[in-house]
Amino acid sequence: QKEVEQNSGPLSVPEGAIASLNCTYSDRGSQSFFWYRQYSGKSPELIMSIYSNGDKEDGRFTAQLNKASQYVSLLIRDSQPSDSATYLCAVSRGDMRFGAGTRLTVKP
Amino acid sequence: GAVVSQHPSWVICKSGTSVKIECRSLDFQATTMFWYRQFPKQSLMLMATSNEGSKATYEQGVEKDKFLINHASLTLSTLTVTSAHPEDSSFYICSARPGKGASPLHFGNGTRLTVT
Repeated sequence: QKEVEQNSGPLSVPEGAIASLNCTYSDRGSQSFFWYRQYSGKSPELIMSIYSNGDKEDGRFTAQLNKASQYVSLLIRDSQPSDSATYLCAVSRGDMRFGAGTRLTVKP
Repeated sequence: GAVVSQHPSWVICKSGTSVKIECRSLDFQATTMFWYRQFPKQSLMLMATSNEGSKATYEQGVEKDKFLINHASLTLSTLTVTSAHPEDSSFYICSARPGKGASPLHFGNGTRLTVT
């Protein structure tokens, strides 16, 4: 079992729609959870961090964490073509482990 | 804040030579830095954890004699790829965090290494 698993992509949504990205992790001792966005050929940039169960909203982005189910998700509302990128779920218990990423395409 | 600078951004070298990549935390001190490698269309794989003033901790399968890490100060870690081979061609990214283990990592811009 992989430490961090993300739903297989690619994911394609029309402009203005909601994009839903999912992630599960295996280490119950994980304490911190992050979503990064990575454009092709670039390094990851932090979008959201979440540390406790529930929802956390930041602009068009909402992260959801359920530690009992070992599940993290990211919702992107009003998706824009500029949101097209690979989204990486990361889980930390000191060092940080990444999922394989979900490639999102937002079509105009 | 929390800027991580990585140099060079790209390098082409011949097989058998060595390449050094620098990672600096510009506005914070980092006792720990992390080195990742990413092959095309794959995720980031942690190679090693660089600890200031002590030996690096390498992930399973990563050759410590091939990927030399030196963390000489609280703001600088270097990764040297020794006797590079074409299969070492990859995107190498360093990262660090200004706070403790719960804070997010901030990444350098990465180094694209091509070994011919």
